[in-house]
Amino acid sequence: DAGITQSPRHKVTETGTPVTLRCHQTENHRYMYWYRQDPGHGLRLIHYSYGVKDTDKGEVSDGYSVSRSKTEDFLLTLESATSSQTSVYFCAIRQTGENTEAFFGQGTRLTVV
Amino acid sequence: LAKTTQPISMDSYEGQEVNITCSHNNIATNDYITWYQQFPSQGPRFIIQGYKTKVTNEVASLFIPADRKSSTLSLPRVSLSDTAVYYCLVGPNTNAGKSTFGDGTTLTVKP
Repeated sequence: DAGITQSPRHKVTETGTPVTLRCHQTENHRYMYWYRQDPGHGLRLIHYSYGVKDTDKGEVSDGYSVSRSKTEDFLLTLESATSSQTSVYFCAIRQTGENTEAFFGQGTRLTVV
Repeated sequence: LAKTTQPISMDSYEGQEVNITCSHNNIATNDYITWYQQFPSQGPRFIIQGYKTKVTNEVASLFIPADRKSSTLSLPRVSLSDTAVYYCLVGPNTNAGKSTFGDGTTLTVKP
């Protein structure tokens, strides 16, 4: 799927523990995004990156942080996981320019118990 | 970011043409309209994108009126495999291209 890999694909963690999800791309695309999707709803943007070490907040960024030290990797960290962060997390990549599509990963299903 | 409104669900039968309309009254001058398809347990997949008038590709057509306050995704001759959730997004493609996903339209194609 367009050279984008999310890991892990599934994770169960306990409330209060830190969790890091990884998005890896082989396309050398500039833009990377993290979304969450809750049952029956669309995707909501958490954070995005427009280059190495350049990141910004999306609409639901509270409780999440990100890092992008290399073009190919975009990490999403839940500093102290809560049950409300149980969700499916999708990473997306997009190249520079107008009129370009985003490619999505297969998702990471995170359960916080 | 422009808010979008789509029907929650639609039903169709195999072989029919399906039209899904999205309202985006607050679309900005530099916003594009993009449609994605999502199957269960998969990430969304790009279908089509347009700015104005009509765009057609091998899977769909996108109709955008002159005022750009709405758009219609047209799927010709749907099959069972077109059963999915369809999202209309409006946003700029320049900069980071932040776009907002609504709750989408669940299309169910029946035999």
